Amino acid sequence: GAVVSQHPSWVICKSGTSVKIECRSLDFQATTMFWYRQFPKQSLMLMATSNEGSKATYEQGVEKDKFLINHASLTLSTLTVTSAHPEDSSFYICSASHNRGLGSNEQFFGPGTRLTVL
Amino acid sequence: GQNIDQPTEMTATEGAIVQINCTYQTSGFNGLFWYQQHAGEAPTFLSYNVLDGLEEKGRFSSFLSRSKGYSYLLLKELQMKDSASYLCAVRDGDYKLSFGAGTTVTVRA
Repeated sequence: GAVVSQHPSWVICKSGTSVKIECRSLDFQATTMFWYRQFPKQSLMLMATSNEGSKATYEQGVEKDKFLINHASLTLSTLTVTSAHPEDSSFYICSASHNRGLGSNEQFFGPGTRLTVL
Repeated sequence: GQNIDQPTEMTATEGAIVQINCTYQTSGFNGLFWYQQHAGEAPTFLSYNVLDGLEEKGRFSSFLSRSKGYSYLLLKELQMKDSASYLCAVRDGDYKLSFGAGTTVTVRA
């Protein structure tokens, strides 16, 4: 099946620093990647949608200057949390699709990245 | 936006059956998904419904009624490893998923 990886799996950083999270589709070309955030005991919330070669589309309330998304190739998208603060501590999950997410089970999820900001 | 409701917690004994209900209100509908998520891990796909009716996959079945905005996930012959959070997600428009808060199922011996 389609495999999506994320790196790192967990990261601890100091307040004010920037953190980059990578999402890779290992055995298929992902035309669309999605970034979600999940706080403890809460649901996954879509942050942004990125299509290869174009600017990401951010959901309402998500600061595009704080959460920088790059989707430079069909197998890699990155999320950079700039000037991280403790309230950014969360579980960040990416998913990848080889079309626009139509059909059944078209989003394949990565294992997630646990970010803790001290 | 989407409004997706599911119970917060359910408990059942090993070998039993549990039904997790999900109701939704969306401005558009293009499929309903159920995912299983263990603590600290990403969701894994369980089922997909786009037409009314029952979809059966082994011990798991999922039902959809679009007119009622209702779905359920049925877990049969419960095993300890089924203890997890179960997420109902609706695809609205052409590609975005909106997730419910999840139902934590605890299976007891």
